[in-house]
Amino acid sequence: AQSVTQLGSHVSVSEGALVLLRCNYSSSVPPYLFWYVQYPNQGLQLLLKYTSAATLVKGINGFEAEFKKSETSFHLTKPSAHMSDAAEYFCAVSTPTSGTYKYIFGTGTRLKVLA
Amino acid sequence: DAGVIQSPRHEVTEMGQEVTLRCKPISGHNSLFWYRQTMMRGLELLIYFNNNVPIDDSGMPEDRFSAKMPNASFSTLKIQPSEPRDSAVYFCASSPRDFPQVSFGPGTRLTVT
Repeated sequence: AQSVTQLGSHVSVSEGALVLLRCNYSSSVPPYLFWYVQYPNQGLQLLLKYTSAATLVKGINGFEAEFKKSETSFHLTKPSAHMSDAAEYFCAVSTPTSGTYKYIFGTGTRLKVLA
Repeated sequence: DAGVIQSPRHEVTEMGQEVTLRCKPISGHNSLFWYRQTMMRGLELLIYFNNNVPIDDSGMPEDRFSAKMPNASFSTLKIQPSEPRDSAVYFCASSPRDFPQVSFGPGTRLTVT
């Protein structure tokens, strides 16, 4: 069975500081991994995805994530936080099943950016 | 592309009433998902369809919940009767056949009083 664990339901960083949001996954087969962002009162938007190509994945808005199989991790980083990055971030894992893909999401990490 | 369309965006109803949420997936996507988001439980997968056929409904909380997908461009999630603990944001999402990437609708915020 697939699962995702996001460490830290709330993370606060100062504007300009490094953003690090942690995600660990469990999967019995090679997974696809995703990060989504949710702004208040909106749906989830795709930030980036890992689909077994390069282990370092670059996404929108300066975010990137590195797939580390040995650590079963897919942490999200951004070198310098901006006020507009304040949102909730979800890590997700997906594996093929029954001719489609099933997506399981973590519980989310709410990022607060301090001026 | 218009993206995933959900209606209504907000629904307020009284306990015991029937609620129907609607979803139009992205054209050409063959899989459709219903999720529920609450503060306590986060984002839960309720049910998903592949080619209009329900694949896994193990996330549906109770028999009061039902979902249908009569064709490739429409799905409904029905709650009958509704209860206050059903209050949540319900998201519909769809994904294409050929690669893994799910696109979400804007959600329906349901309040049951």
